[in-house]
Amino acid sequence: QVQLVQSGAEVKKPGASVKVSCKASGYTFTSYGISWVRQAPGQGLEWMGWISAYNGNTNYAQKLQGRVTMTTDTSTSTAYMELRSLRSDDTAVYYCARDSGGSYSSWGQGTLVTVSS
Amino acid sequence: DIQMTQSPSSLSASVGDRVTITCQASQDISNYLNWYQQKPGKAPKLLIYDASNLETGVPSRFSGSGSGTDFTFTISSLQPEDIATYYCQQYDNLFTFGGGTKVEIK
Repeated sequence: QVQLVQSGAEVKKPGASVKVSCKASGYTFTSYGISWVRQAPGQGLEWMGWISAYNGNTNYAQKLQGRVTMTTDTSTSTAYMELRSLRSDDTAVYYCARDSGGSYSSWGQGTLVTVSS
Repeated sequence: DIQMTQSPSSLSASVGDRVTITCQASQDISNYLNWYQQKPGKAPKLLIYDASNLETGVPSRFSGSGSGTDFTFTISSLQPEDIATYYCQQYDNLFTFGGGTKVEIK
């Protein structure tokens, strides 16, 4: 079965960077894109960006352009999301999701990133 | 960017009630619209894709309709396990989520 397993919770200081991983299994990794979605405490879902696991093409949300980088390692079927210059309002649960033609039928378990001095 | 306006932001209904949530896109998105259910502390779950198609394994009391800019999500008979927050999501141009609708039992 399709599984996306994310890395563990992180605590970072303002201005630091964080890199979250998402290891896929149960399907051909390069046949699907991976999107990253975050959710601040008590808030709704925010789409952050998408990466093609086939060729590495990316699309990022405009508000995160310049601070976010999404990559993949096809040898380990793992996607990564790096967010730089962290601020307190980046505190959120970060999810990866497999993109099946625009629909997210499989999600990771979520990674809590806390930004605090 | 395409904006998705979801309403209401919350609702309270009785078990067995029909529940309707609407989602309006800021521009025509054809049928490129999905609906998700999220329970506290859990990842979202896909319920409806392409505006009206029921994801495999999802109970038939859930349904979706609409195209263009106006979409509707319906629970035909609310069950206690349906307590959750529901989100619409467009994928016509990149991806955008609606603000969510929290459904509670009266």
